[in-house]
Parts: sequence; structure tokens; C-alpha cells
Amino acid sequence: EVQLLESGGGLLQPGGSLRLSCAASGFTFSSRTMNWVRQAPGKGLEWVSGISDSGDSTYYADSVKGRFTISRDNSKNTLYLHMKSLRVEDTALYYCARGSSWYYWGQGTLVTVSS
Amino acid sequence: DIQMTQSPSSLSASVGDGVTITCRASQSISNYLNWYQQKPGKAPKLLIYAASSLQSGVPSRFSGSGSGTDFTLTISSLQHEDFATYYCQQTYTNFHSFGQGTNLEIK
Repeated sequence: EVQLLESGGGLLQPGGSLRLSCAASGFTFSSRTMNWVRQAPGKGLEWVSGISDSGDSTYYADSVKGRFTISRDNSKNTLYLHMKSLRVEDTALYYCARGSSWYYWGQGTLVTVSS
Repeated sequence: DIQMTQSPSSLSASVGDGVTITCRASQSISNYLNWYQQKPGKAPKLLIYAASSLQSGVPSRFSGSGSGTDFTLTISSLQHEDFATYYCQQTYTNFHSFGQGTNLEIK
């Protein structure tokens, strides 16, 4: 059974940093592209970042480019999102999702940026 | 970047009605389009991929069509469990933008 389990969310002040993790199981993690998608409270879905299966290629939405870094550790079956210079508008539920098919999503981890 | 625009933003309908949601891409995306259903507190659920292919386990009352820039999601006879928010998403580029969503409510 495919499982994606996000962790690392929390409450922090503007300008802070955080690292989200997504632990994957039930499939060959190193063969799949992966993505982060976020959803601000009461708002729609926003694609944030994607990474190739090897980790060699990464992609970012303009809203996070230069502040967020996606990475993966295929030996640990884990996807990461390193976030810095956080803004109030980064407050959201952050989902990881398996690329290609986009069928598998985690349940999300909540990031709240507030002074 | 490709912009995805859905219409309408909200829609009221009754059980048994048929409804259509439209998604337009700012440039051609061939058939690289997904449709999702999302209910409160839940992750999005993939309904349709490649514009018109029904994801396994999804009821046949859901259908998708279109190619290029214009796409539609049709629900032929609404059931209670279909009242939710629907999103389109392009996967033509590596920047997988979503539409703003369509909130389908019970009339």
C-alpha cells in the first residue's frame, strides 16, 4: 500500500525557516517524481515545487523561488522541502504528492506563519 | 507559466442534475489535464487524467473531455457525495498549475 506521510509543520514567525519531510512507502520511491502542493486556509490548491526521480532536476512556483528548496534522499525514501524567509502568505497545509500519476497524496502538514 | 482558469467558481445544483465545469489553459496543453475532487479536511482525489481517462474506482457518471486549451468535467447525475470542490491541473509542463477551483453546492 502506497503511503505518504508529511511532518515538520508548525507555528513560526515571519522570516523564519522550516524543513518539511514526506516519508514514502509502498512503492519504488527512487523511480518517481515527487511534488509539494499547498493550500492556504479556505483557498485553492497551489503547486509549489517538483523534483525528478534522481533529484537532478527541480522546479519551483514563482511565489517560492529563491526561498524554498526541494530535495530528496532516495536511500531514506524521503522527500524534503526546506523553507526560509517565510511570509505570512506561506501559511498553508502542505501536501506531498507522487508525480506522473498524481493519484497518491499525503494528508498534509500545517505551516502557520504569524507574528 | 501556464494559467488555468475554471468556470464557474461556484455552482448550485440538485441531486439528479447534470453539471459541467469548464477549465481553460492560457496555452495549449494537449491532453495533459487532470481533474480532482476535494472534500473539506481531505486531500484531493484524482477523478480524471489525460483529460478524459477515468481513474479506476471513480463512478462512470464522471467524464472529461477536451484538448488543447479547453476542457470540461461533466457529472451526469449528481449524487449527495458529489457536492465538493473540483480542480483542474495541467501536467504539460514541469510547473503543474491548478485552476482556482469550482465549489459545487446543493441547491
